Amino acid sequence: DTGVSQNPRHKITKRGQNVTFRCDPISEHNRLYWYRQTLGQGPEFLTYFQNEAQLEKSRLLSDRFSAERPKGSFSTLEIQRTEQGDSAMYLCASSPPPSGGRGTDTQYFGPGTRLTVL
Amino acid sequence: AQSVSQHNHHVILSEAASLELGCNYSYGGTVNLFWYVQYPGQHLQLLLKYFSGDPLVKGIKGFEAEFIKSKFSFNLRKPSVQWSDTAEYFCAGRSGGYQKVTFGTGTKLQVIP
Repeated sequence: DTGVSQNPRHKITKRGQNVTFRCDPISEHNRLYWYRQTLGQGPEFLTYFQNEAQLEKSRLLSDRFSAERPKGSFSTLEIQRTEQGDSAMYLCASSPPPSGGRGTDTQYFGPGTRLTVL
Repeated sequence: AQSVSQHNHHVILSEAASLELGCNYSYGGTVNLFWYVQYPGQHLQLLLKYFSGDPLVKGIKGFEAEFIKSKFSFNLRKPSVQWSDTAEYFCAGRSGGYQKVTFGTGTKLQVIP
């Protein structure tokens, strides 16, 4: 297993277009997370899935953003009507079920998808 | 609000110098704390983590961090840095039992040979 993978690695789009990113977690990781990272900042939490259920969602995730994980494996993040402010690195992470009790899982990050909105 | 703050934005050290990067958190109750590293051109990797127990945690590549509850701190240390430690370091935390992880703004470390 080579870790969390994300596609595409780079995406350039024009303002107003829709974009979709894909994340494939490490196999057998039932938890999946999306983050956004802008220049000079740390990653900001967007949303979290446990299996196919979306359990946490940040206020950063506006109505133009939607994430899915239909079969509890890969996930997609769609941004509709992109704006220049959406330009960022979109990171995906996954974690296994906690083995040491509640909250003891660790998140493993993918390489990210860099979005540029012109 | 729950937050993590890193006070050093850019640190320059010579090889063999000792390193300490500051991290403070504002969580109440049970807290999980992490240090991640991002080497140039690579993705975020976990250096070490604290969930409970011994407040001095050891991670990969000779790094360690100490959880000091009274100071709300989780500083990262390494006794002797190498050129290959040049990277950006992120402190992160979450309330125990929750999944949302909050990251600090990062510290860029540059090690001069």
